[in-house]
Amino acid sequence: NAGVTQTPKFQVLKTGQSMTLQCAQDMNHEYMSWYRQDPGMGLRLIHYSVGAGITDQGEVPNGYNVSRSTTEDFPLRLLSAAPSQTSVYFCASSRSRVNYGYTFGSGTRLTVV
Amino acid sequence: AQSVTQLDSQVPVFEEAPVELRCNYSSSVSVYLFWYVQYPNQGLQLLLKYLSGSTLVKGINGFEAEFNKSQTSFHLRKPSVHISDTAEYFCAVIDRGGDSSYKLIFGSGTRLLVRP
Repeated sequence: NAGVTQTPKFQVLKTGQSMTLQCAQDMNHEYMSWYRQDPGMGLRLIHYSVGAGITDQGEVPNGYNVSRSTTEDFPLRLLSAAPSQTSVYFCASSRSRVNYGYTFGSGTRLTVV
Repeated sequence: AQSVTQLDSQVPVFEEAPVELRCNYSSSVSVYLFWYVQYPNQGLQLLLKYLSGSTLVKGINGFEAEFNKSQTSFHLRKPSVHISDTAEYFCAVIDRGGDSSYKLIFGSGTRLLVRP
């Protein structure tokens, strides 16, 4: 089982550039989320989805867009990258809202210069 | 909104000693709690979860946690740690919104450093 696959693993962007972080899961999970991890701040929820076609904002959504056209994929778009978006990004998925916990990808380390 | 607080940013401990990592949550209403572990340069892995029922929850790798409603705590414990337990540990809670949303919210993490 591939689980949750994130690409790329590393990325360097210039300020103002745009890019899409890819996330795919092969477990038929309805629930998917994007987090960013910064030192001393734990993981903060950016956006989440409860199924294809349904997305909502988390704790820190500004500067990020998401869409969920299929159950498998949940891409995260940075429209105009800023140095404050330098972080490690994790995608996670779950079979249910609560019972099974979330499965995490291995992360994307993004640096904005 | 639900939140969790991890008071200790780092906990150093000697190998084979017991350890407790502290976590406090903000509300006692229908709370669902989790502990995750992150090894260096990896994603997060679920250690254990409390949904309901017995207040003592056992997880993987010999870890356990106790749900304490009166103290709004969910501390993680292990009676004897190994070098391989060196990692960052995150407490998390489900925040149930008024719109029936369920968001998994994390604490700031505790780095467990096991010394020989």
